[in-house]
Amino acid sequence: DAGVTQSPTHLIKTRGQQVTLRCSPKSGHDTVSWYQQALGQGPQFIFQYYEEEERQRGNFPDRFSGHQFPNYSSELNVNALLLGDSALYLCASSSRTSGLSTDTQYFGPGTRLTVL
Amino acid sequence: GQQLNQSPQSMFIQEGEDVSMNCTSSSIFNTWLWYKQDPGEGPVLLIALYKAGELTSNGRLTAQFGITRKDSFLNISASIPSDVGIYFCAGLVLNTDKLIFGTGTRLQVFP
Repeated sequence: DAGVTQSPTHLIKTRGQQVTLRCSPKSGHDTVSWYQQALGQGPQFIFQYYEEEERQRGNFPDRFSGHQFPNYSSELNVNALLLGDSALYLCASSSRTSGLSTDTQYFGPGTRLTVL
Repeated sequence: GQQLNQSPQSMFIQEGEDVSMNCTSSSIFNTWLWYKQDPGEGPVLLIALYKAGELTSNGRLTAQFGITRKDSFLNISASIPSDVGIYFCAGLVLNTDKLIFGTGTRLQVFP
């Protein structure tokens, strides 16, 4: 049973560029949450997708957007990259079928984004 | 962004010693979670707490949900080398699936 997978593992971009990160949830999960983890910090909630819609959002600008596909996989898009966007981007999946699902969120290994 | 206050920031202990770390918040949470993160990995859930005053164990790990609902602590007994890593607390924002993480406690265990 594959866990949460993310791609790519590492990515280097320059300021102003756009990036797309991908996440496949754990088998049986239908909800995907994205987090940004700066070096030496705890993860910060970006947004959550369920039923192909953004359900909740943290304090991130509109440059951060996402998408969820019918197979529950998800993408995180960041436009007009800034140096401060350099971080580990984590995807977490869970199942919402039994109500609030965050207690059983499973995290992927993350994508390390470096903006030069 | 908002983060919970976690202490200590780092700990250097000898194998076999017990460890205690805590997490405080200015806001009330209905769920407290404790995660461990190894280098190059995502956080792994260790313990989940759902009621004020609740004390829950998972092997050598014990965590408690503070009575005020604004704090939680994690104890690790008889530490071993594989306990090395960064431990994060997280609180679940009321009526959401949004997790607020702590600043992390880095644990080093020496043989």
